[in-house]
Amino acid sequence: GAGVSQTPSNKVTEKGKYVELRCDPISGHTALYWYRQSLGQGPEFLIYFQGTGAADDSGLPNDRFFAVRPEGSVSTLKIQRTERGDSAVYLCASSLSYHNEQFFGPGTRLTVL
Amino acid sequence: AQKITQTQPGMFVQEKEAVTLDCTYDTSDPSYGLFWYKQPSSGEMIFLIYQGSYDQQNATEGRYSLNFQKARKSANLVISASQLGDSAMYFCAMREVQYNNNDMRFGAGTRLTVKP
Repeated sequence: GAGVSQTPSNKVTEKGKYVELRCDPISGHTALYWYRQSLGQGPEFLIYFQGTGAADDSGLPNDRFFAVRPEGSVSTLKIQRTERGDSAVYLCASSLSYHNEQFFGPGTRLTVL
Repeated sequence: AQKITQTQPGMFVQEKEAVTLDCTYDTSDPSYGLFWYKQPSSGEMIFLIYQGSYDQQNATEGRYSLNFQKARKSANLVISASQLGDSAMYFCAMREVQYNNNDMRFGAGTRLTVKP
């Protein structure tokens, strides 16, 4: 079956611009997670969805970051007024439920110039 | 505070030999889960193995086994019969069930290189 997919695979933008990153989880997975991975580090938790609702957004670094999952499947991570420090790989993961292992997508590499 | 510590930034192993990747963790939650993921150069995180804090036996999955020493708070990954395709970054992660349910914390990773 299809795994977690993320688009685009690469995104280059200019400082101050708005970007949207998309995640398509494995069909039937109710839990969806966003992580950010900077060079040489492990993934850092951003936000967790259970169904349509954001059950935990405590990892979002500031109010420029926002994510939605309106129909309980596809999720979009939105970053306003991008800064150079936002450059990283943004990983999405999904799991059957909260207690199961997470399956990761290939990530979106965001570069803010 | 750092919850997951991987002290080996890089490791080398000869093909067909076994290798142990270290992971120590810090938690006061009595119920937690420990995970290992592999990240090849393609960037995708691949789930390898899971150990629950109440599991009596060490987890095994094919060539992967987890050496779980609860009192020492260590969860080392053992890869037997290394293959060239095992060359990748390896991340240890922990989820605290009662205290901080949703935040899976990752270590900084260990880069494993398998030599032919």
